[in-house]
Amino acid sequence: GQNIDQPTEMTATEGAIVQINCTYQTSGFNGLFWYQQHAGEAPTFLSYNVLDGLEEKGRFSSFLSRSKGYSYLLLKELQMKDSASYLCAVRSNYQLIWGAGTKLIIKP
Amino acid sequence: DGGITQSPKYLFRKEGQNVTLSCEQNLNHDAMYWYRQDPGQGLRLIYYSQIVNDFQKGDIAEGYSVSREKKESFPLTVTSAQKNPTAFYLCASSISHQQREKLFFGSGTQLSVL
Repeated sequence: GQNIDQPTEMTATEGAIVQINCTYQTSGFNGLFWYQQHAGEAPTFLSYNVLDGLEEKGRFSSFLSRSKGYSYLLLKELQMKDSASYLCAVRSNYQLIWGAGTKLIIKP
Repeated sequence: DGGITQSPKYLFRKEGQNVTLSCEQNLNHDAMYWYRQDPGQGLRLIYYSQIVNDFQKGDIAEGYSVSREKKESFPLTVTSAQKNPTAFYLCASSISHQQREKLFFGSGTQLSVL
C-alpha cells in the first residue's frame, strides 16, 4: 500500500527551531510537497522537493532523501503565527497522497 | 487578486437532502479538484477535472457528483447517498494536472448534518 507518516502533534517555543518529519512508502515518486494550514483555512504551499537535498526559503527549509523515503520541514526563529498544521504530500504516479498533518503548537 | 472562492463557509444538511458546494476560480487554471478533510486523516480526493466538460472520480467519489461546464466553476453536490457527509471540504486548482504543479486551495466549506 501507499503510506505517509507524520507526527500528530509537536510543541515548540517561540524563537526556537523545530523539525517536522515525514516518511513515505509509495509505489512511485515524482516529488514531495509541504503545505501549511491554519485551523479552518486553506492549505498554502510551502515547498516542493523532487531531488535529494535541502531547499531553503527564508525561515523555512525542506529536505528530501529519496533512498530513505524521508523528508523534513525545518522552521527557524519560530513565531506565534507559525502555529498551524503542516501537511506532507507525495506525488506518486499522477496521484497526490497526503499525510494526516502535524499540528504545531508554539508557546511563548 | 486571483484566487479560489468557496461558498458557503458553513453548511447544514438535513436527512435525505442534496446540497451543493460552490467553487469558483479566477486563476485561469485548467485543473480543479475536490478534497475531503476529516480529523486525523490526510486529504482524500473526491473528484477532479483536467479540463472543461471532463471530470474523473477520485478515491471516494461515491455519494458525490460534480460538473465542469465552465473553466472557472467546479461545484460539488453531496447527495443523500453519502451517509457520512460531515467533513471539511476543500476545493483546489492547478495550472494543469502535470506532476510538478502545486495546488491552490479555497478556504473550505464545513458541512454538518442536522
